[in-house]
Amino acid sequence: KQEVTQIPAALSVPEGENLVLNCSFTDSAIYNLQWFRQDPGKGLTSLLLIQSSQREQTSGRLNASLDKSSGRSTLYIAASQPGDSATYLCAVREEYGNKLVFGAGTILRVKS
Amino acid sequence: KAGVTQTPRYLIKTRGQQVTLSCSPISGHRSVSWYQQTPGQGLQFLFEYFSETQRNKGNFPGRFSGRQFSNSRSEMNVSTLELGDSALYLCASRRGGGTDTQYFGPGTRLTVL
Repeated sequence: KQEVTQIPAALSVPEGENLVLNCSFTDSAIYNLQWFRQDPGKGLTSLLLIQSSQREQTSGRLNASLDKSSGRSTLYIAASQPGDSATYLCAVREEYGNKLVFGAGTILRVKS
Repeated sequence: KAGVTQTPRYLIKTRGQQVTLSCSPISGHRSVSWYQQTPGQGLQFLFEYFSETQRNKGNFPGRFSGRQFSNSRSEMNVSTLELGDSALYLCASRRGGGTDTQYFGPGTRLTVL
């Protein structure tokens, strides 16, 4: 059974810091890995998707990497801003069942 | 391009009642999935529909059911509501291939009293 773990569970940083969120998964039989952002009481916003054959994806201040063989992904946020405060969720799409399996998320707070 | 829309956004029901939630996917997307989000269990997969057929189902009791129409719109039904069904129900759509990006709607907040 696929399990996705996110570390840390919560993170509080001053504005301007660079930070790294971690995601690990137990079964490497995945199509892709997707990072989402969720604001309180809202739906999920897709940030980055990395296909299983790719190593990284970049969008603006965000960079996500994937090491499928070791079951790890990182989300790097450069020059953090208060508007980045949210819960960040990592999800893998399984080859078997073709569904997204989510981690519990990292709650990020960026202080101004 | 319009995103995934869900109606209603909020619902309050009592135990034993049933409820129907609706989801309209992004135009051109044929796959619709439903997820339940609770503080204790996080995000859990309910089921996926593709071209009006249920393609996959999560580990939920038979009280949870769904369907998809020919225009790809989907409904989810929960019968005999229990207190533990209180959750944010999220609908997501994608084109249908295994490598597609999944896009989520704003969710329906269901409260069972």
